[in-house]
Amino acid sequence: GAVVSQHPSRVICKSGTSVKIECRSLDFQATTMFWYRQFPKQSLMLMATSNEGSKATYEQGVEKDKFLINHASLTLSTLTVTSAHPEDSSFYICSAKYPTSENEQFFGPGTRLTVL
Amino acid sequence: QKEVEQNSGPLSVPEGAIASLNCTYSDRGSQSFFWYRQYSGKSPELIMFIYSNGDKEDGRFTAQLNKASQYVSLLIRDSQPSDSATYLCAVSNTGKLIFGQGTTLQVKP
Repeated sequence: GAVVSQHPSRVICKSGTSVKIECRSLDFQATTMFWYRQFPKQSLMLMATSNEGSKATYEQGVEKDKFLINHASLTLSTLTVTSAHPEDSSFYICSAKYPTSENEQFFGPGTRLTVL
Repeated sequence: QKEVEQNSGPLSVPEGAIASLNCTYSDRGSQSFFWYRQYSGKSPELIMFIYSNGDKEDGRFTAQLNKASQYVSLLIRDSQPSDSATYLCAVSNTGKLIFGQGTTLQVKP
């Protein structure tokens, strides 16, 4: 159990375009999902907390108008990187909070974004 | 001061030895502590979590927590080459995970 999927696993796009990444909890309902970004040789940095049916909560320094998050159902959250630039190239990872656990999160496999 | 600190390593141990990974945290209100393993190019996978002071064992892994010293560690017994990865310590008190920078472990055959 506790499987989280992400799609796509890898995406290459041109500068200025928008990219949507999907995160799904496959065998449990997740009212809370999280989006992280990881640059090479660095740790995971939390970007935002996605709550089903309400607005996402963004961490300090993360532009909410650039990184649009939608959590429309209990099993799906999406992250859209708008007007992507080369500096947005990174490994984007989502996680879903297990419903019966206070703090336990299960991670998706990640999406490698490359902006040319 | 970083909220969660780990020695980036690499920590190199021979196969069969005990690997000891350490982590310190700054927020005394932290309540939950996690160890994740991350292979290159992959997302983290949960190894263990610990909430109470003391030791928690799961197979070859033992997590140790000392809240007074704000210190959490992970011991890996009988280390195998397949254990070679980056180990991330994560701390939470609000439902959000704060990660350390990770320690790279190399287990040499």
